[in-house]
Amino acid sequence: DTAVSQTPKYLVTQMGNDKSIKCEQNLGHDTMYWYKQDSKKFLKIMFSYNNKELIINETVPNRFSPKSPDKAHLNLHINSLELGDSAVYFCASSQAGGYQPQHFGDGTRLSIL
Amino acid sequence: DQQVKQNSPSLSVQEGRISILNCDYTNSMFDYFLWYKKYPAEGPTFLISISSIKDKNEDGRFTVFLNKSAKHLSLHIVPSQPGDSAVYFCAARKNFGNEKLTFGTGTRLTIIP
Repeated sequence: DTAVSQTPKYLVTQMGNDKSIKCEQNLGHDTMYWYKQDSKKFLKIMFSYNNKELIINETVPNRFSPKSPDKAHLNLHINSLELGDSAVYFCASSQAGGYQPQHFGDGTRLSIL
Repeated sequence: DQQVKQNSPSLSVQEGRISILNCDYTNSMFDYFLWYKKYPAEGPTFLISISSIKDKNEDGRFTVFLNKSAKHLSLHIVPSQPGDSAVYFCAARKNFGNEKLTFGTGTRLTIIP
């Protein structure tokens, strides 16, 4: 009964390809996030959705397109992958409002060849 | 511009002793602070948090202290156990609705048996 689950856990692909990462949470939270952890281990927000509506977009290239079919799912689609996209991508969720922590998935390690 | 800083990339502590991890922040709008623990190949796990209206929060072996005037917080673990060996991330947030977390770069804690 994993709270925040991401698939796949590992993704190895060629430069120029398009790929998707899926995220699902069963915590009943209404807000979901995507974070990127780069080679320096720095975790940085990319996007946030609240009830399927985009609320945070942190100057991420438009090759990255999040999609939230419902409030339990937030998928990340990446077009024309570049070498610099190699990183670990973490999905998270939280209940909006008040002092509520975010809960993270185990990450997807994306490697671009 | 790193708004949350963890200046010690690593820390080694003898089992049974106290571990103290430090974090500094620059943005005075932050009013909710969290500590996450991360094992390799897993996502960050929420450990403990504190809001700006408090200066201390305790949960079992873990205590977080907040010094707002110094913009400094610390995590105390006592007694330290081998299972505490992990990377610890400090994170901060403004408490407006669905605000993002801003993370520090982490401190790798090693507990020596």
